[in-house]
Amino acid sequence: QKEVEQNSGPLSVPEGAIASLNCTYSDRVSQSFFWYRQYSGKSPELIMSIYSNGDKEDGRFTAQLNKASQYVSLLIRDSQPSDSATYLCAVRVIPAAGNKLTFGGGTRVLVKP
Amino acid sequence: EADIYQTPRYLVIGTGKKITLECSQTMGHDKMYWYQQDPGMELHLIHYSYGVNSTEKGDLSSESTVSRIRTEHFPLTLESARPSHTSQYLCASSETGNSGNTIYFGEGSWLTVV
Repeated sequence: QKEVEQNSGPLSVPEGAIASLNCTYSDRVSQSFFWYRQYSGKSPELIMSIYSNGDKEDGRFTAQLNKASQYVSLLIRDSQPSDSATYLCAVRVIPAAGNKLTFGGGTRVLVKP
Repeated sequence: EADIYQTPRYLVIGTGKKITLECSQTMGHDKMYWYQQDPGMELHLIHYSYGVNSTEKGDLSSESTVSRIRTEHFPLTLESARPSHTSQYLCASSETGNSGNTIYFGEGSWLTVV
């Protein structure tokens, strides 16, 4: 079992709709959770981080964390074609040597006009 | 916005050549990382560093080596490149403390070994 799992997609959503991405992790002591966006051929860029159970909103993005069920999700409201990218879930265990993150394989999102 | 720079961005070299991928950050971050990512595939950590004179192997075994003589500089070297080394190499950094949870990536170095 992978430490961080994501559905590879592609997740196809119409423009203006909500895209819902899920991520599950195996290590119960995981403490920090991140969503990165990666455009094709580019490096990952941080969208959101979340550390506590519940929801965290930032603009059109909402991260949801449920530690008991070991999943973290990302909602993208009012999806735009520019949101088409691969979204990477990353998890950090505390204490973790070197502050390193473990990444999932990513979910490819395709927003259709 | 992160200030982390990688050179070269794109490199095509022959088998057996020695290459060094450069990575520099101007943020004073103590922790630095090298990830390897094949197109459309997962990110894999191959090296990381806590600080000067500290280097550790990552989760994925790699024939590359790294050094950390200066805080801002974390070069990766392949002594004898092979076609299996063809990949994208991403350098990243983070700082200590609560805000150090965030890892910032450079733009990546695309290596093709022919």
